[in-house]
Amino acid sequence: DIQMTQSPSSLSASVGDRVTITCRASQGIRNDLGWYQHKPGKAPKRLIYAASSLQSGVPSRFSGSGSGTEFTLTISSLQPEDFATYYCLQHNSYPYTFGQGTKLEIK
Amino acid sequence: EVLLVESGGGLVQPGGSLRLSCAASGFTFSSYTMTWVRQTPGKGLEWVSAISGSGSATYYADSVKGRFTISRDNSKNTLYLQMNSLRADDTAVYYCAKEGCSSGCSFDYWGQGTLVTVSS
Repeated sequence: DIQMTQSPSSLSASVGDRVTITCRASQGIRNDLGWYQHKPGKAPKRLIYAASSLQSGVPSRFSGSGSGTEFTLTISSLQPEDFATYYCLQHNSYPYTFGQGTKLEIK
Repeated sequence: EVLLVESGGGLVQPGGSLRLSCAASGFTFSSYTMTWVRQTPGKGLEWVSAISGSGSATYYADSVKGRFTISRDNSKNTLYLQMNSLRADDTAVYYCAKEGCSSGCSFDYWGQGTLVTVSS
């Protein structure tokens, strides 16, 4: 099975900050990776697909990069509505696996 | 508009069974792999199971293999998850999700989730 190691597990930041979250795959997964935002009581929302493609309707302050085993999600300028938990998901092979999540909190 | 609506969650005793349903609309249901994902209390998202558009291929996490069965009825645009031999650590919110392409893609639409509580 492919393991996804996501870091950091939590992050405290301020509105306007630039933040980066990283996911590392235990083996190469090409660009078969998505990034999700999850808020309590809501359905997860896809931000990025195919590692670097922005989901329609998602603000351009979100961006993704990487291929193979190293991936990053960057939020260029945090907004109040961005405080949530973020997950990466590999869909290269079954069983699909999520990273452990990064809880983004207000400083 | 794509809509996924889960139902069937509730309180069940350890060792019991439950069947979840996910009613889909707004897209050609039979063309897409569908998935169940869960979030256990205080923990992250866990991929549970997937089924191909035709229903001919199914996949399971090791944690549920042999206890859960995924199925679909394309005539009713409905996805199912039959959960048997339930354990306390199966307590979670269960989401159904649609893959963003016919197969091998991340999930572009999710339902709102249904809560399953396994407790005596």
